Amino acid sequence: SQKIEQNSEALNIQEGKTATLTCNYTNYSPAYLQWYRQDPGRGPVFLLLIRENEKEKRKERLKVTFDTTLKQSLFHITASQPADSATYLCARLGSSGSARQLTFGSGTQLTVLP
Amino acid sequence: EAGVAQSPRYKIIEKRQSVAFWCNPISGHATLYWYQQILGQGPKLLIQFQNNGVVDDSQLPKDRFSAERLKGVDSTLKIQPAKLEDSAVYLCASSLPGEYNEQFFGPGTRLTVL
Repeated sequence: SQKIEQNSEALNIQEGKTATLTCNYTNYSPAYLQWYRQDPGRGPVFLLLIRENEKEKRKERLKVTFDTTLKQSLFHITASQPADSATYLCARLGSSGSARQLTFGSGTQLTVLP
Repeated sequence: EAGVAQSPRYKIIEKRQSVAFWCNPISGHATLYWYQQILGQGPKLLIQFQNNGVVDDSQLPKDRFSAERLKGVDSTLKIQPAKLEDSAVYLCASSLPGEYNEQFFGPGTRLTVL
């Protein structure tokens, strides 16, 4: 079966540093990976999508990379702020028949310390 | 633009009781999803609708879970009878048709089964 794995351990970093979160997938290369942010008591919020043929995607302080050789995506937050503290979810966009569907990893909880 | 609405936000029931959740997606979004998110895990897709038709319900425990989207707009998810392991957050999401499938999530309903 296709799996999306994220580091289940929480990540604590100091304000101003770069946070790097990892998403690994198995069995086959997804055409697309999406990253979402989830705050306590709220639903996930879409951040970025990266396609299989893209090496890197940026949006403001966020950067996502996609390495099909390593079967891995890295999510970076530069100049991190306490407001970036949240759980970040990686999701594979795949198909089931005619339906486009997301399979989520378990998420990584990030805490940015002031 | 109004987001995805869900109610109730919280529900506590005893095992073997019934419960229903309601979702109103973003106006114009033809695709609607119900997810189950157990504490510490990522969302798991239960059922996907395209307008008022079911596209995928392969992960819905059909012996106790049911869902409908009668007029292709709002949707209800029902559990009857509930089990202890159904304690989770139930998230509703919607999206426009398209290749990248950015999904917009509601705040979720936190269900506790005692």
